[in-house]
Amino acid sequence: AQTVTQSQPEMSVQEAETVTLSCTYDTSESDYYLFWYKQPPSRQMILVIRQEAYKQQNATENRFSVNFQKAAKSFSLKISDSQLGDAAMYFCAYYNFGNEKLTFGTGTRLTIIP
Amino acid sequence: EAQVTQNPRYLITVTGKKLTVTCSQNMNHEYMSWYRQDPGLGLRQIYYSMNVEVTDKGDVPEGYKVSRKEKRNFPLILESPSPNQTSLYFCASSSPMQGRGHYNSPLHFGNGTRLTVT
Repeated sequence: AQTVTQSQPEMSVQEAETVTLSCTYDTSESDYYLFWYKQPPSRQMILVIRQEAYKQQNATENRFSVNFQKAAKSFSLKISDSQLGDAAMYFCAYYNFGNEKLTFGTGTRLTIIP
Repeated sequence: EAQVTQNPRYLITVTGKKLTVTCSQNMNHEYMSWYRQDPGLGLRQIYYSMNVEVTDKGDVPEGYKVSRKEKRNFPLILESPSPNQTSLYFCASSSPMQGRGHYNSPLHFGNGTRLTVT
């Protein structure tokens, strides 16, 4: 079974600084997707960024980028120029093509310090 | 507007009183799923359905039932709720992935139902 581990329950960063959230996963599959979701206090699950395992290039979406290390099974999220609106719970998730299941990590609560 | 609608948004009930959380999607998705979210545990899958009349257990199915009589609806039933089912619940839906695709989120999530069982 796939597992996703987020080892940082809480992180904080000064506004305008850069922060990196870590995620590792375990799978025997070679073809999969990885995602980072943001959950603000509104509880809505918002997709931040996705990475396809067969692509070596790291995904980037504006201030958000990932460091995908397939051999190490690591998928960290870097947030540059942190903004107050980035404060939220962040979940790393692994997607299995076979059963369409998203397996989530336990989450990292990010606080932005003004 | 394409969406997954859950109701109610908040629910407080007492131990043993049967309840149903409704979930409806308007995107004609085959796949639907229920997750629960608990502090320190992330989101865990309760049940899922690959199509009408096809349901299967996820990782934490004990104490829950589901049904899929229509494609758009996937209610979650707690026949005898207990305090350990106090949680935040999410319904989600998707279409099956067919080959390589350009996917935003593989799942469309509802806005969650906060359930408290006393």
